[in-house]
Amino acid sequence: GEDVEQSLFLSVREGDSSVINCTYTDSSSTYLYWYKQEPGAGLQLLTYIFSNMDMKQDQRLTVLLNKKDKHLSLRIADTQTGDSAIYFCAHGAREAAGNKLTFGGGTRVLVKP
Amino acid sequence: DGGITQSPKYLFRKEGQNVTLSCEQNLNHDAMYWYRQDPGQGLRLIYYSQIVNDFQKGDIAEGYSVSREKKESFPLTVTSAQKNPTAFYLCASSPGLAGVNTQYFGPGTRLTVL
Repeated sequence: GEDVEQSLFLSVREGDSSVINCTYTDSSSTYLYWYKQEPGAGLQLLTYIFSNMDMKQDQRLTVLLNKKDKHLSLRIADTQTGDSAIYFCAHGAREAAGNKLTFGGGTRVLVKP
Repeated sequence: DGGITQSPKYLFRKEGQNVTLSCEQNLNHDAMYWYRQDPGQGLRLIYYSQIVNDFQKGDIAEGYSVSREKKESFPLTVTSAQKNPTAFYLCASSPGLAGVNTQYFGPGTRLTVL
């Protein structure tokens, strides 16, 4: 079945770059997403990439997609303390019933001053 | 402002009681979703609806019920049959266009069973 894997935890120093990784198994993905969740809040859509793209840059965020290896990454440049949160990757399979998304378990990012 | 609202933010319930969580959106989205999130875990899909008056079970529908009488509203009832209902509940909506899966989330409701 579909599966999305993420590492559990990442610690980074303020001002450094963060790289959060995600692997998935479903090769029929159309869109792949990154969401951010702050404590006690809902999920905020950060960015997404279409499956026929290799890279997408949006201000401090860079998404890289290696479709052959089914690997997705999110790079946050100049990481700030406000970037401390849980980050979820998700993918939507082509013609998924109900346009459902499959989420990874989330990576908790801690930014140290 | 367009968005998704969930109420209440915190909810307490006694064992054996049913409770209904509200989810409203003014984004004119066709599709709506309910997820459950347990501490330190990802999201699990409870129910989803692609159109008014229609809804489908997700991965963990047992002990839950929904209705979709209006496009903008998708309430979730946690019944007494749900064995472990304490969790954070998230509602989401999506335009519902074929092949476009982007979902937008509400702020969540934290349910605690006493």
